[in-house]
Amino acid sequence: AQTVTQSQPEMSVQEAETVTLSCTYDTSESNYYLFWYKQPPSRQMILVIRQEAYKQQNATENRFSVNFQKAAKSFSLKISDSQLGDTAMYFCAFNNNDMRFGAGTRLTVKP
Amino acid sequence: DSGVTQTPKHLITATGQRVTLRCSPRSGDLSVYWYQQSLDQGLQFLIQYYNGEERAKGNILERFSAQQFPDLHSELNLSSLELGDSALYFCASSVSRGLDTQYFGPGTRLTVL
Repeated sequence: AQTVTQSQPEMSVQEAETVTLSCTYDTSESNYYLFWYKQPPSRQMILVIRQEAYKQQNATENRFSVNFQKAAKSFSLKISDSQLGDTAMYFCAFNNNDMRFGAGTRLTVKP
Repeated sequence: DSGVTQTPKHLITATGQRVTLRCSPRSGDLSVYWYQQSLDQGLQFLIQYYNGEERAKGNILERFSAQQFPDLHSELNLSSLELGDSALYFCASSVSRGLDTQYFGPGTRLTVL
């Protein structure tokens, strides 16, 4: 069964600095999608970034980028120039026709 | 705004009661997913419908049921409610039935007293 592990339950970062959230997954499949979702205090689930496994190039969305290491089954999220509005729970997710979520990392951005 | 709508936003009810949560997917999306998130917990997948047919089932209790209508909106029915059913219930939608991006609605916060 596919599993998603986020080993950092909580993290904090100073405003304007860079932070990296870790995610590993376990699968025997070769074709899948990976996602990072953000859940701010409003509890809305917001898609941050998506990576298709067949793409070698790491996805980027403005200040958000990923480091996708397929062989290592690792998918970390880097947030550059952290802003107070980035304070949220971040969920890593794996989809191979069956979406699996990690337990989440609670990120606090400090002024 | 993801384009997925859910009603109501909040629901307060008593134990033993029955409620219906409603979801409208993004325009063009054929799949609807239901998730449950208890306080400070991760997301638990409940059930998926694709173009009106049940496609996948997760940890859904027998007291819960869902359906997807011809206009593709979906309803999640929760009956014989217990205190432990208090949670945030999310609906998500995607274009295809599996390998795809899921977009989430704002959720319905259910409180069972």
